[in-house]
Amino acid sequence: QEKVQQSPESLIVPEGAMVSLNCSFSDSASQSIWWYQQHPGKGPKALISIFSNGNKKEGRLTVYLNRASLHVSLHIKDSQPSDSAVYLCAVSMASNYQLIWGSGTKLIIKP
Amino acid sequence: GPKVLQIPSHQIIDMGQMVTLNCDPVSNHLYFYWYKQILGQQMEFLVNFYNGKVMEKSKLFKDQFSVERPDGSYFTLKIQPTALEDSAVYFCASHTGGFAETLYFGSGTRLTVL
Repeated sequence: QEKVQQSPESLIVPEGAMVSLNCSFSDSASQSIWWYQQHPGKGPKALISIFSNGNKKEGRLTVYLNRASLHVSLHIKDSQPSDSAVYLCAVSMASNYQLIWGSGTKLIIKP
Repeated sequence: GPKVLQIPSHQIIDMGQMVTLNCDPVSNHLYFYWYKQILGQQMEFLVNFYNGKVMEKSKLFKDQFSVERPDGSYFTLKIQPTALEDSAVYFCASHTGGFAETLYFGSGTRLTVL
């Protein structure tokens, strides 16, 4: 059974800082790794996904995947108060259509 | 962006009663999902549905749970009878198909079983 672990559990940074969030997974046969953002009282919203080793950049977001170490990270540049949310890492498996979720990192950006 | 609508946003019922959670998925989406999230805990997969049939279901999808989407209308999750441990937020999600497709979520229905 795939396991997804996220760290840290929570993070408080000042506005404008670079944010780094971590996610490790247990199954090297995993397909895509997704990062979702969830604001209170809302459903998760997909931010960015990655399949191949290396990095992928979209706007202020950069994601790094290292399949050998079973690790993926999300970096948010020039953080804004509106970035305050829970960030969820989710892994899709080749064998089915499910997503396996981490427990999330609660991010607070202080103005 | 595409929107998934969930009705109602909150539901309070007595243990043993039946409850139906409704989801209006994105119009051209083909795959539908229900997820369960207990406050402060991980999102957990319940079931997915394609072409009128359940494709996969988890151990959390008990015999008391059922899903359907009659004639392209709401995608529903029915729990009959409800138990105290069913209290959670239930999220509906949908996508067009394929492993790499973005999953779009509704805002959830908070179910409280008393």
